[in-house]
Amino acid sequence: EAEVAQSPRYKITEKSQAVAFWCDPISGHATLYWYRQILGQGPELLVQFQDESVVDDSQLPKDRFSAERLKGVDSTLKIQPAELGDSAMYLCASSHLEGSMDFGPGTRLTVL
Amino acid sequence: RKEVEQDPGPFNVPEGATVAFNCTYSNSASQSFFWYRQDCRKEPKLLMSVYSSGNEDGRFTAQLNRASQYISLLIRDSKLSDSATYLCVVNPYSGNTPLVFGKGTRLSVIA
Repeated sequence: EAEVAQSPRYKITEKSQAVAFWCDPISGHATLYWYRQILGQGPELLVQFQDESVVDDSQLPKDRFSAERLKGVDSTLKIQPAELGDSAMYLCASSHLEGSMDFGPGTRLTVL
Repeated sequence: RKEVEQDPGPFNVPEGATVAFNCTYSNSASQSFFWYRQDCRKEPKLLMSVYSSGNEDGRFTAQLNRASQYISLLIRDSKLSDSATYLCVVNPYSGNTPLVFGKGTRLSVIA
């Protein structure tokens, strides 16, 4: 069964450092999402891509976060500089046309 | 009012019990609805879609009430393995738009 791949699975960094997360969606899924989930909360959307284009990044803190999907396949989410409040699970998901989405295993970020 | 609201629980129920969760949504134009299950420190996984006519899958039944703007999930004959957080998920618009997640309801099934 096809899966969304993410790496790394865990990342520990010090505040003010830069971090980057990678996601490879299910083959053929044109839509890719990055969500952030804080412990005890539901996932919250950071950015949505349709192929290589950003569809919605209204909740992305653009002073420190950036996301790209240059070839419309895999995607990278970057944080620079990281802050203590960025500690969370970063989930990548993909979907095909309208409907439910499939999540990757996530990257758990801890900022010290 | 938040877009999707759920009782966070926890719901602690004995094995074999029947348990139900409700979830309310604010946008009356919402088009599609889902229940996701999330185990501790794992990613959410689709449990079932919620159709206007309701949806049943084994011990799980999901229903939609558009007039009152809520969806429900019923679990019959609870198993220990049902212990998880159940996320109510709504697509507030038509088309391929991001799903909006509730905070989840935590269920613990006790032996």
